[in-house]
Amino acid sequence: EDQVTQSPEALRLQEGESSSLNCSYTVSGLRGLFWYRQDPGKGPEFLFTLYSAGEEKEKERLKATLTKKESFLHITAPKPEDSATYLCAVQARTGSQGNLIFGKGTKLSVKP
Amino acid sequence: GAVVSQHPSWVICKSGTSVKIECRSLDFQATTMFWYRQFPKQSLMLMATSNEGSKATYEQGVEKDKFLINHASLTLSTLTVTSAHPEDSSFYICSARWRGIYNEQFFGPGTRLTVL
Repeated sequence: EDQVTQSPEALRLQEGESSSLNCSYTVSGLRGLFWYRQDPGKGPEFLFTLYSAGEEKEKERLKATLTKKESFLHITAPKPEDSATYLCAVQARTGSQGNLIFGKGTKLSVKP
Repeated sequence: GAVVSQHPSWVICKSGTSVKIECRSLDFQATTMFWYRQFPKQSLMLMATSNEGSKATYEQGVEKDKFLINHASLTLSTLTVTSAHPEDSSFYICSARWRGIYNEQFFGPGTRLTVL
């Protein structure tokens, strides 16, 4: 069964304190792994897509990496505005419709 | 960037009434649109997948007669919650997949449905 597990469930950081969020997955053939940011009461905002092990992508203070079993979202010197829930999702090759399987998310709080 | 809109952003209705939610891709053509439901402090649960011009595919446990989906064009999909009940109260989010070589899904801002 395709599955996505994110850890930790919640993470509290001081402004400037770098850290990483983990996304472990089991999928019958990975088509893509996606990271989204979701603010309370809003839809997810697309951040990154990773397609193959070893791939890395960066955007401002965020950097996403991918291995054959997991992905990390590294946050460098976070700011309070980075506070949000970060969602990881995978798309399996066997899914003809291309639907995403989401993890439960990591709620990040950055204190000034 | 790809923009997906939803309307309305929130709606309150009486039990037994029907509610229609629109999802539009504003600056791209979407081959496929997806409808999700999210309960407080939970992740997104896929309800159904719709392709333009064809019937929607519903996930197990989702009542197709209750949640009617119409995907009339490459930029518009609608979800109608029929005979809504308080247990249907939730945050409904749509997403659209770009008609291109990439697989990214772009999400709408969501619709908060409250059934009294």
